Amino acid sequence: QSALTQPPSASGSLGQSVTISCTGTGSDVGGYNYVSWYQQHPGKAPKLMIYEVSKRPSGVPDRFSGSKSGNTASLTVSGLQAEDEADYFCSSYVSSISFVFGTGTKVTVL
Amino acid sequence: QVQLQESGPGLVKPSETLSLTCTFSGGSISSGSSYWNWIRQPAGKGLEWIGRIYTSGSTNYNPSLKSRVTISIDTSNRQFSLKLSSVTAADTAVYYCAGRIEVTAFDYWGQGALVTVSS
Repeated sequence: QSALTQPPSASGSLGQSVTISCTGTGSDVGGYNYVSWYQQHPGKAPKLMIYEVSKRPSGVPDRFSGSKSGNTASLTVSGLQAEDEADYFCSSYVSSISFVFGTGTKVTVL
Repeated sequence: QVQLQESGPGLVKPSETLSLTCTFSGGSISSGSSYWNWIRQPAGKGLEWIGRIYTSGSTNYNPSLKSRVTISIDTSNRQFSLKLSSVTAADTAVYYCAGRIEVTAFDYWGQGALVTVSS
């Protein structure tokens, strides 16, 4: 199974919004509503930010939102804050009863 | 407070077997919908799902690693383990254990364990 495709980098100014895409196939992103997003700061473990395409775990700010259209999922961070600067990875369930992650996107807050 | 903690050798020789254990605390490892995962990340690269195990012992593995991976669980000691055989330098990575506990995603993670494959 191939990694899901994400842009290597994205940026936005403080207070602005940034959207990250995650493109797969009908066997993963397009076939299931089990897309999740993870935030990872340098040297730290990933943290779950979005699950089942658009749901937020308890404690995650509502500035983070997720959506999906066809084989592409998206994560939007609104009202960018300095602490949002991190790497972001998407993940999807795969029809082969496994999981696949995205290639990762480094978000820079200008 | 749920916590996961990886443990095991930080250095493994090529062709040998990498072994790691994840210890779970702060909840029930036997919750019906939970499953327990191993995920790895080479330095500066992305995440790779290795496999998962349910408390029943049922497993699923990444097809690309399936021939070399074994995941097992010891519910009485609240631990699950990873064995990866015939390792090469390409297996050098930070290895994370992660749980699907409250929601359908990897919602709890260990801090990660760096394993280097080198002679």
